[in-house]
Amino acid sequence: GDSVTQMEGPVTLSEEAFLTINCTYTATGYPSLFWYVQYPGEGLQLLLKATKADDKGSNKGFEATYRKETTSFHLEKGSVQVSDSAVYFCALSSNTGNQFYFGTGTSLTVIP
Amino acid sequence: DAGITQSPRHKVTETGTPVTLRCHQTENHRYMYWYRQDPGHGLRLIHYSYGVKDTDKGEVSDGYSVSRSKTEDFLLTLESATSSQTSVYFCAIGKDRPYEQYFGPGTRLTVT
Repeated sequence: GDSVTQMEGPVTLSEEAFLTINCTYTATGYPSLFWYVQYPGEGLQLLLKATKADDKGSNKGFEATYRKETTSFHLEKGSVQVSDSAVYFCALSSNTGNQFYFGTGTSLTVIP
Repeated sequence: DAGITQSPRHKVTETGTPVTLRCHQTENHRYMYWYRQDPGHGLRLIHYSYGVKDTDKGEVSDGYSVSRSKTEDFLLTLESATSSQTSVYFCAIGKDRPYEQYFGPGTRLTVT
């Protein structure tokens, strides 16, 4: 069945460091891929998305490229800020139905 | 903001008591979901709905039931709460193609 695997955390970075959070997926057909962010005490917010191979999603300085050949959707940011401290979830939705599959989340802490 | 509210936001209850959580949306979306979030497990789907009176089970549906008598409301009921159901519960709505999901603020439930 469909699934998402993302890198284990927690991740701790200094402010202005480069961020990569790895995400790989297993799916039949042509899924859409997403990154969600969850700040403490809040629900998940959609950060960015990509709906077909080679699409790049971007938002708030974060980017991720849909790579069908490596079944990956890694999240990157060139220079993290303290305010980026949160838990990040990779997810996919199958194009055969309206169900989502989430990774287990990666906690990011950015220190000044 | 997808206009999703959850009530109550916090609840403490005793083992064996029934509990109902409510999710309300203001945008008339067909798909609605209930997830639970637990450390180390990420988000797990409990039940979902694809229309009024149309619901289906997710991966962790045992001990839970749902009802959707109106488009805007999706209720999650724990018939007899157990300590293993202590969790944070999130409601989500699903938009059609590319099936984005948007989350409510969550309900923290503690079963003592």
